[in-house]
Amino acid sequence: RKEVEQDPGPFNVPEGATVAFNCTYSNSASQSFFWYRQDCRKEPKLLMSVYSSGNEDGRFTAQLNRASQYISLLIRDSKLSDSATYLCVVSNSGNTPLVFGKGTRLSVIA
Amino acid sequence: DAGVIQSPRHEVTEMGQEVTLRCKPISGHDYLFWYRQTMMRGLELLIYFNNNVPIDDSGMPEDRFSAKMPNASFSTLKIQPSEPRDSAVYFCASSLGGQGSGDTQYFGPGTRLTVL
Repeated sequence: RKEVEQDPGPFNVPEGATVAFNCTYSNSASQSFFWYRQDCRKEPKLLMSVYSSGNEDGRFTAQLNRASQYISLLIRDSKLSDSATYLCVVSNSGNTPLVFGKGTRLSVIA
Repeated sequence: DAGVIQSPRHEVTEMGQEVTLRCKPISGHDYLFWYRQTMMRGLELLIYFNNNVPIDDSGMPEDRFSAKMPNASFSTLKIQPSEPRDSAVYFCASSLGGQGSGDTQYFGPGTRLTVL
């Protein structure tokens, strides 16, 4: 089983739609969780961290379910500029490496 | 701040040639990471340094790959000899703290390597 699994997509949604991505991780000792965004032919950039209590940043909401070992990202009122690949990232305790999922591709269509 | 700088941005070479990728991390960052990204395998960590010292190179695919960090502002990743299966985008990233601290990793623009 891969450490971090994501549905690769693509998710094709119209502008204004709400879209949700899920990600599962295999290591129950994982401590830190993130969503990174990667535009086509660009580098990954941190979108947001994911906290146990859940967190919101504008149109983006991230949730963590430790019992089920999954992380979600919800995008409301999607924009054309949201089109990108969204990478789920998990970190274990201490200075162990970040583990990246392969990403979920989102295309927002006019 | 210029961010993480990588060179070259694109490299096309022939099988068997030596390839050297370069990275300048963000000033003041103690950690430097080298990643490789392909469609099949996604983003894979190859090696990372803390204060110029290699900490974990378990992701380096084989002896053909080597990485150095002679000072806090420069690192190289070398492939010798290169093979077509090394074709990928190689990213360098840096962060203030270690990965477990949750510090943000800042990625460079990547080097797109094609080995013919």
